[in-house]
Amino acid sequence: RKEVEQDPGPFNVPEGATVAFNCTYSNSASQSFFWYRQDCRKEPKLLMSVYSSGNEDGRFTAQLNRASQYISLLIRDSKLSDSATYLCVVNLEAGGYNKLIFGAGTRLAVHP
Amino acid sequence: EAQVTQNPRYLITVTGKKLTVTCSQNMNHEYMSWYRQDPGLGLRQIYYSMNVEVTDKGDVPEGYKVSRKEKRNFPLILESPSPNQTSLYFCASSLFSTKRRRSYNEQFFGPGTRLTVL
Repeated sequence: RKEVEQDPGPFNVPEGATVAFNCTYSNSASQSFFWYRQDCRKEPKLLMSVYSSGNEDGRFTAQLNRASQYISLLIRDSKLSDSATYLCVVNLEAGGYNKLIFGAGTRLAVHP
Repeated sequence: EAQVTQNPRYLITVTGKKLTVTCSQNMNHEYMSWYRQDPGLGLRQIYYSMNVEVTDKGDVPEGYKVSRKEKRNFPLILESPSPNQTSLYFCASSLFSTKRRRSYNEQFFGPGTRLTVL
């Protein structure tokens, strides 16, 4: 079983739609959680951190369920510019340093 | 401008011909790391370095070497490349920071190096 699993998609949605991505992780010792965004052939960039209480950044909402080892990302009012691959990332703290474990990503395509 | 740079960006080579991919960051980060990205597998860590002269294996270190003689540079060396090392490679750097009991580890990535080994 992969340490971080995501639905690869693609999710094809029209502009203005609401779309949700899910991610599960296997290591219950995971300390912190992130969503990264990766545009085609580009480097990943941090989109947002994910907190236990849930957090929102504009049209983006991230949720964490530690009991179920489940992370989600909700995008409201999708824009064409949201088209990208979204990487679920889990941070394990071990031996005094942090190791990031990346999911394979979920691809989103927003069309007019 | 704060950034991570990698060179070359694209490389086509042949089996067995030693190559080095350079990585440099100007953010004074202690931690640097190399990843490879393959379809359906996500980013997998090859090697990482917590500071100068401190390096350690990641999840897929076989066939790679690294060095960290200076804080800003972290080259990736393929002594004898093979076709299964054809991949997209990313270098990343970060600071360590802790806040209460949580650790935040935003990594800044270089633009990537697309390597093809024939």
